[in-house]
Amino acid sequence: KNEVEQSPQNLTAQEGEFITINCSYSVGISALHWLQQHPGGGIVSLFMLSSGKKKHGRLIATINIQEKHSSLHITASHPRDSAVYICAVMSNFGNEKLTFGTGTRLTIIP
Amino acid sequence: EPEVTQTPSHQVTQMGQEVILRCVPISNHLYFYWYRQILGQKVEFLVSFYNNEISEKSEIFDDQFSVERPDGSNFTLKIRSTKLEDSAMYFCASKRDANQPQHFGDGTRLSIL
Repeated sequence: KNEVEQSPQNLTAQEGEFITINCSYSVGISALHWLQQHPGGGIVSLFMLSSGKKKHGRLIATINIQEKHSSLHITASHPRDSAVYICAVMSNFGNEKLTFGTGTRLTIIP
Repeated sequence: EPEVTQTPSHQVTQMGQEVILRCVPISNHLYFYWYRQILGQKVEFLVSFYNNEISEKSEIFDDQFSVERPDGSNFTLKIRSTKLEDSAMYFCASKRDANQPQHFGDGTRLSIL
């Protein structure tokens, strides 16, 4: 069983739509990351959170530690938001490594 | 904004050859990582490095792999005798301290022929 599960795997939406990507994990964690990977392959860190909610521009990330679940929301989506969004967790057993989900491929159509 | 820099962006190597992937982490960062992503698959952890030594390595990181921080700025990943299955995108990451997010480089695409 994968330690980090994301849904959906693929998501296509019209420009302006509100987007939600979900992440569930099965291990205890100290923090969860949301990352963005563009077609060229580079990875950009969007959020690191261990509780509650964070907002940056049109992006919002939430986490529920008790339910082992996190969501990434994009408001007023735009074609430039098209990318793969990856959830990754850092365990709370002294390990610093990230364990990654398989990613959600988001396509925003103009 | 400071960046993690990886070179080369693309490396093509014959099977059995040694390859060195180079990374320059952000200058005041203390924790360093290598990850890899085989085409179409998820990103996988290879190794973490702190205080001039390996702090953790995955099952993938066998005797063919080694890491070095030779001069206080570069952080290298060496694969001694490459195999076809080593073809992947390799990402370097660094962070300042335990409570900070990791910053990733743009990756090196390694193609083994």
